[in-house]
Amino acid sequence: DAGVIQSPRHEVTEMGQEVTLRCKPISGHDYLFWYRQTMMRGLELLIYFNNNVPIDDSGMPEDRFSAKMPNASFSTLKIQPSEPRDSAVYFCASSSIDRGPEAFFGQGTRLTVV
Amino acid sequence: AQKITQTQPGMFVQEKEAVTLDCTYDTSDQSYGLFWYKQPSSGEMIFLIYQGSYDEQNATEGRYSLNFQKARKSANLVISASQLGDSAMYFCAMRKIQGAQKLVFGQGTRLTINP
Repeated sequence: DAGVIQSPRHEVTEMGQEVTLRCKPISGHDYLFWYRQTMMRGLELLIYFNNNVPIDDSGMPEDRFSAKMPNASFSTLKIQPSEPRDSAVYFCASSSIDRGPEAFFGQGTRLTVV
Repeated sequence: AQKITQTQPGMFVQEKEAVTLDCTYDTSDQSYGLFWYKQPSSGEMIFLIYQGSYDEQNATEGRYSLNFQKARKSANLVISASQLGDSAMYFCAMRKIQGAQKLVFGQGTRLTINP
């Protein structure tokens, strides 16, 4: 299995621009998570899906952030408009209770907003 | 709500020594799972070991073992015979076993192995 695939690996954008992060979970996994990692706040859960349905988006910082999962093999996290404080590493992870307790993480997308 | 506390921001250990990374947790759930992840300087998150709250024996995976003390609400990671490649950030995490599957992470411990 290829693991969780995220793109792009690095993104540099100007303040005010729209940013879209992409994730392909492991095939057969029914849970998908978006996390954000910063020095100040550590690893924060933004949102997670079960069977493509958003279950908990209480971690989404504000309306500028949105996430979708149109099918079982693809999810996006969009920031519009982006701000410098959004600079962080964004991780996507997936899991399946049937396959074990752990969540598998992608390589992350390092976002820099200038 | 669930909470993970890792009180050691950084640790320095000599190569080949054993090291214990501390983790305490707080939850009102009766059934939960505890996890350790490793994050090397390259940035990826690597799953190391899992302990279920009803597991009677401590989990082990190669050189990793989880010292689970339920009454104390602690889930310390023990790395035996440390190697230079063990230098990394280590995160303790937990989630419910039933219901919400989201992982809650601690702040992490940066482990440095000295030759």
